[in-house]
Amino acid sequence: DQQVKQNSPSLSVQEGRISILNCDYTNSMFDYFLWYKKYPAEGPTFLISISSIKDKNEDGRFTVFLNKSAKHLSLHIVPSQPGDSAVYFCAANGNFGNEKLTFGTGTRLTIIP
Amino acid sequence: ETGVTQSPTHLIKTRGQQVTLRCSSQSGHNTVSWYQQALGQGPQFIFQYYREEENGRGNFPPRFSGLQFPNYSSELNVNALELDDSALYLCASSSQGQETQYFGPGTRLLVL
Repeated sequence: DQQVKQNSPSLSVQEGRISILNCDYTNSMFDYFLWYKKYPAEGPTFLISISSIKDKNEDGRFTVFLNKSAKHLSLHIVPSQPGDSAVYFCAANGNFGNEKLTFGTGTRLTIIP
Repeated sequence: ETGVTQSPTHLIKTRGQQVTLRCSSQSGHNTVSWYQQALGQGPQFIFQYYREEENGRGNFPPRFSGLQFPNYSSELNVNALELDDSALYLCASSSQGQETQYFGPGTRLLVL
């Protein structure tokens, strides 16, 4: 039962263009969403998050959009840079009494110079 | 500010053995969560510790157990290792009530 889904295993984007990573969820109890970036041989690094009371959150080159009715969120990176090449994980949390994160399976982003 | 640290970085064990993995939380954080990441998958929640007690558990058998110490560091113990336990084990720390978790570099366990 995959409650958080990232349906694109990989994505290639030209340097300088916009990268859009997508994530869908099924559990309506989720109320907080996070994006993590992971390089090989390292742990996930927190990138940006959004609460369900918002529909957009921006931090520099990174913007996360949340569409609650569609149970969909996306991460926009603009402009894309070679250092953005990594695996990106979408994660969700809800009011379950602890901060358990439910992760998607990840999308490998490759930025082409 | 010190980040989350984990030891060891790599470990090789054989089936049936026991293993202990260690985690030091980021300074100021009182909650530690453990995750298992199999190849090609996202991290899966094992359990969380707060105030030295288990505060939520994922779908893992009882041979996965843990501890949290007064300084908020934590251990993950796995008994009777199976081949499928081969994975990257991630520790994450946070402050209770805060949503964002910060991860360590992980321990890669190989069970032969």
